[in-house]
Amino acid sequence: DQQVKQNSPSLSVQEGRISILNCDYTNSMFDYFLWYKKYPAEGPTFLISISSIKDKNEDGRFTVFLNKSAKHLSLHIVPSQPGDSAVYFCAAAHINTNAGKSTFGDGTTLTVKP
Amino acid sequence: DAMVIQNPRYQVTQFGKPVTLSCSQTLNHNVMYWYQQKSSQAPKLLFHYYDKDFNNEADTPDNFQSRRPNTSFCFLDIRSPGLGDAAMYLCATSRAKGKGANVLTFGAGSRLTVL
Repeated sequence: DQQVKQNSPSLSVQEGRISILNCDYTNSMFDYFLWYKKYPAEGPTFLISISSIKDKNEDGRFTVFLNKSAKHLSLHIVPSQPGDSAVYFCAAAHINTNAGKSTFGDGTTLTVKP
Repeated sequence: DAMVIQNPRYQVTQFGKPVTLSCSQTLNHNVMYWYQQKSSQAPKLLFHYYDKDFNNEADTPDNFQSRRPNTSFCFLDIRSPGLGDAAMYLCATSRAKGKGANVLTFGAGSRLTVL
């Protein structure tokens, strides 16, 4: 049973518009959530994270929203740029365990069209 | 720049022929991980080292072994690769504790093809 799900395998957005990537989790014990971005032929790189004590964290064009009651988080990219085209992985973790115990979703491929 | 380097980037082997993938890091992180990632799937943790302590995931096949001779290097050995082991193998590191301990720093990966 997959504990972290990214139900949209792909998303296509026009440059300058908002990209919204979604992630659902089932384990209410998760208390730390991360987004990683992966370009082809590269490893994933950390993008942004949020602790369960918050419902929003913003870093430049990237904002992550957490809805604990719905066990749902989303990544907003505004405005989207062609360089944002990549695979985005959502990950959920327990803040007091090591990073490798993060549970990953299958990823969403974002394409930003010029 | 501090980083995680994986070699080789691409490895082709024959069915049953042993393979070793290497990973080095300049971040001085205590923890090093090996993940297997197949197409359109989440990375799957195989095992990790916390300093010299080896931690195997329960469902990691015996065919996969690892060595960490020092803080900077970690190796993934696949003793008898099968067709199902063709995948991207990702090495990652993290701090053991404190700020940023939940964040993984990944290498670029080693893509294994089994003929």
